[in-house]
Amino acid sequence: KAGVTQTPRYLIKTRGQQVTLSCSPISGHRSVSWYQQTPGQGLQFLFEYFSETQRNKGNFPGRFSGRQFSNSRSEMNVSTLELGDSALYLCASSLVPGGGYGYTFGSGTRLTVV
Amino acid sequence: GESVGLHLPTLSVQEGDNSIINCAYSNSASDYFIWYKQESGKGPQFIIDIRSNMDKRQGQRVTVLLNKTVKHLSLQIAATQPGDSAVYFCAGFNNAGNMLTFGGGTRLMVKP
Repeated sequence: KAGVTQTPRYLIKTRGQQVTLSCSPISGHRSVSWYQQTPGQGLQFLFEYFSETQRNKGNFPGRFSGRQFSNSRSEMNVSTLELGDSALYLCASSLVPGGGYGYTFGSGTRLTVV
Repeated sequence: GESVGLHLPTLSVQEGDNSIINCAYSNSASDYFIWYKQESGKGPQFIIDIRSNMDKRQGQRVTVLLNKTVKHLSLQIAATQPGDSAVYFCAGFNNAGNMLTFGGGTRLMVKP
């Protein structure tokens, strides 16, 4: 079966712009989580969605937001981009909230802010 | 919140030798841990997990050990192969928020 699909794979944006990233979970998975990965900070949890509702949120500013659609696909948006937002953004899906076995990651979207 | 960290940023081993990657956590309420492998340009891949009611779990060439007394877990890879070269993360499962948190990662380098 298809894995977790993230689009686009690469993105270059200018400081101050906004960006939307997309994540399609494994078929049947209803939970989607987002992470930011940087060399200095490692993986940092952004938020988790389950059945179109945000279940958990990490410690990120309000410029970072997300949503989940009825088909479980999720998007995350970053507004007013800063240079420090350059990172690999990963999403992961699972059957049930909270991750665990079956918690599968996509290949990520590499965002570069210039 | 959960704090899960790794002891070493880089580990270099000879092909065929066993590898041991360590991880420490601070939240004793965590009851579930996962080890992930991340190859360059790819997302983290699930390797093996362990629940707090166990102290050892084995998979194919991998073993995870959990020491709840000192809040430490390790990943052992037997007969390390070049394909094992990657960054390895440990993840703590925060049962209060059902949220995974990750240590910084250890880069495993396998020498031929």
